[in-house]
Amino acid sequence: DTEVTQTPKHLVMGMTNKKSLKCEQHMGHRAMYWYKQKAKKPPELMFVYSYEKLSINESVPSRFSPECPNSSLLNLHLHALQPEDSALYLCASSQTQGERSKQYFGPGTRLTVT
Amino acid sequence: AQSVTQPDIHITVSEGASLELRCNYSYGATPYLFWYVQSPGQGLQLLLKYFSGDTLVQGIKGFEAEFKRSQSSFNLRKPSVHWSDAAEYFCAVAIYNQGGKLIFGQGTELSVKP
Repeated sequence: DTEVTQTPKHLVMGMTNKKSLKCEQHMGHRAMYWYKQKAKKPPELMFVYSYEKLSINESVPSRFSPECPNSSLLNLHLHALQPEDSALYLCASSQTQGERSKQYFGPGTRLTVT
Repeated sequence: AQSVTQPDIHITVSEGASLELRCNYSYGATPYLFWYVQSPGQGLQLLLKYFSGDTLVQGIKGFEAEFKRSQSSFNLRKPSVHWSDAAEYFCAVAIYNQGGKLIFGQGTELSVKP
C-alpha cells in the first residue's frame, strides 16, 4: 500500500472559522510533510515531522498549526485564515527524513477561504 | 543559493511524438534530483530520481532522464507521448543535510494533441 490519504478533498471556510486537515499513511513511514501549492505554482514546504517531532517549520504563520498525534497521522489545524491562504494543501510521507528519501504525496485538500 | 529552472512553461506535442522537458539546477555539491508529475487537481507522483551512478535513469510510465553535470541539467524524455501524459511536470532538487527539503522548479505544463 503506497497511498497517502487526505481529508477532506475540498474545504470552504470563513476567516473566523477553525478547521482541520487530516493526512494518513500506513506505509510505516516516519517522516511526514505539509506543502502549500497555489495555482500554477510549485509546492512550497510548510512543515516536516520526523518520528512525530516537528523537524522543520518554514516560518509559517501561527494561524497554521501542525500536529502529529502518531506515526500514521498528520493534522493541520487552521484558524483565522486569510483569503490568500486559499490553495491546495498537500501532505507527503517518506520512510525517513533526508535528501535520498522518496516522498509519496496525497491528492491534496483544496481550501477556499471566504 | 540552490535553484531549479524549467525554461519551458508550456509545451504542446502530438500524440506519438517524442518529448523532452528541460531542467537546469544550481547547486554546489552533488545534487539529488527528482522528476514529479501532477495531473489536474491531484497530488504529485514521482517519475524517477537520480542520486549517483549511471547518469541515464529509467522511471515509470516509459520516462527516462539524463544527468549531465557539465551542463547542470537533468532533462526528462519519453520516446512516444500518450494523451494521458498531459499534466504538469516538476523537476526538483533535494538539499543535502536539510532534512529532505525539496526545491521545485516552476513546472512545465504538457499538452498532447491528438
